[in-house]
Amino acid sequence: SQQGEEDPQALSIQEGENATMNCSYKTSINNLQWYRQNSGRGLVHLILIRSNEREKHSGRLRVTLDTSKKSSSLLITASRAADTASYFCATASITTGGGNKLTFGTGTQLKVEL
Amino acid sequence: SAVISQKPSRDICQRGTSLTIQCQVDSQVTMMFWYRQQPGQSLTLIATANQGSEATYESGFVIDKFPISRPNLTFSTLTVSNMSPEDSSIYLCSVTPPPGPAVGKNIQYFGAGTRLSVL
Repeated sequence: SQQGEEDPQALSIQEGENATMNCSYKTSINNLQWYRQNSGRGLVHLILIRSNEREKHSGRLRVTLDTSKKSSSLLITASRAADTASYFCATASITTGGGNKLTFGTGTQLKVEL
Repeated sequence: SAVISQKPSRDICQRGTSLTIQCQVDSQVTMMFWYRQQPGQSLTLIATANQGSEATYESGFVIDKFPISRPNLTFSTLTVSNMSPEDSSIYLCSVTPPPGPAVGKNIQYFGAGTRLSVL
């Protein structure tokens, strides 16, 4: 089953507006990451926030983490048409073989219109 | 970072046949992973490809259906065997980075994926 549930499933906004996506997870984590996937392409790592951090910024991205609520949010400010993509949160855990793996959330499809 | 080449980028296959997907990395990496992304869905880990030993499969995935090879630290293949329409998905390989600032943070770098359609 998916570790992360994201909402909204789909989001449509106008260029210049802010976009907020939320992610909830179930188990304890070392860190939480956000990835972007353009249509038909692989995933690109955007930002990582550690479990002892509450907020992190990178350019137009702002990520928050609330470990008591097991939730995170990704805010994209001043959105652009090029931000149109699917966004996934991911949490790290140990695989059956003892290595590390990422478990991805259900994703938010963001569409930024001109 | 690592540059990952995955091929084929897409294929259309007949039911009952097999397809082998290749993943080539431009640097030696410790961990390589194979994911499946069904249409409109999130990514699900199939297995971890271990260099010099058998792959480690996640619950719901078996070696007979998804045999994996990892002959060295820069290359891996995933075979989708005896395909059915339910195997139509995007298959992605990913790697954990070479030594550097991202090590230990579980950040992964992804190939562009293989879009498979089974008729």
